Amino acid sequence: DPKIIQKPKYLVAVTGSEKILICEQYLGHNAMYWYRQSAKKPLEFMFSYSYQKLMDNQTASSRFQPQSSKKNHLDLQITALKPDDSATYFCASSQDPRNTEVFFGKGTRLTVV
Amino acid sequence: GEQVEQRPPHLSVREGDSAVITCTYTDPNSYYFFWYKQEPGASLQLLMKVFSSTEINEGQGFTVLLNKKDKRLSLNLTAAHPGDSAAYFCAVRKNSNNRIFFGDGTQLVVKP
Repeated sequence: DPKIIQKPKYLVAVTGSEKILICEQYLGHNAMYWYRQSAKKPLEFMFSYSYQKLMDNQTASSRFQPQSSKKNHLDLQITALKPDDSATYFCASSQDPRNTEVFFGKGTRLTVV
Repeated sequence: GEQVEQRPPHLSVREGDSAVITCTYTDPNSYYFFWYKQEPGASLQLLMKVFSSTEINEGQGFTVLLNKKDKRLSLNLTAAHPGDSAAYFCAVRKNSNNRIFFGDGTQLVVKP
């Protein structure tokens, strides 16, 4: 019974388009994160949010914008998609930002053609 | 920033054999260390977290060894079985923030 739900599981997008990756967690956590895993790099930290506020941002491009409409939601909007954006994007959460136990969703595999 | 190197990228062992995966890290200020297991199509599952004061931790069927002097973290699956087949990731976190730095992962195959 997954407690962190990511939608969709697979996504194919055309270069230049815009997509939103959905993440909802039902663990009652206050901190949420996005990580990216591409073929060429290990899992990379992208963003962290705590109580719906941006805490840390490692993504250089402004094309990646997290959106938190509710405390248990942290969606990821990606604009002007490029083939290099192709990766699996993992959402994660923890009880609070200082909590060492981080739980991961199953990921959204994005392919940009 | 932190760099985490994980070896080997692929590992194949027979059922009952041991399997050892090793990670080295660069930042001496790293304080928390993790091992995650990822089965196909599933999320990353936390196997164990290790703190700086801990050197050896034993879990169900595996041992984690932390050597802060050498900046080395290892996962030893003792008597591996086919259900252990998965990707394993080490991860490292500093005390000062919550960024977790991951190794590249090891794809373990345990053959019956």
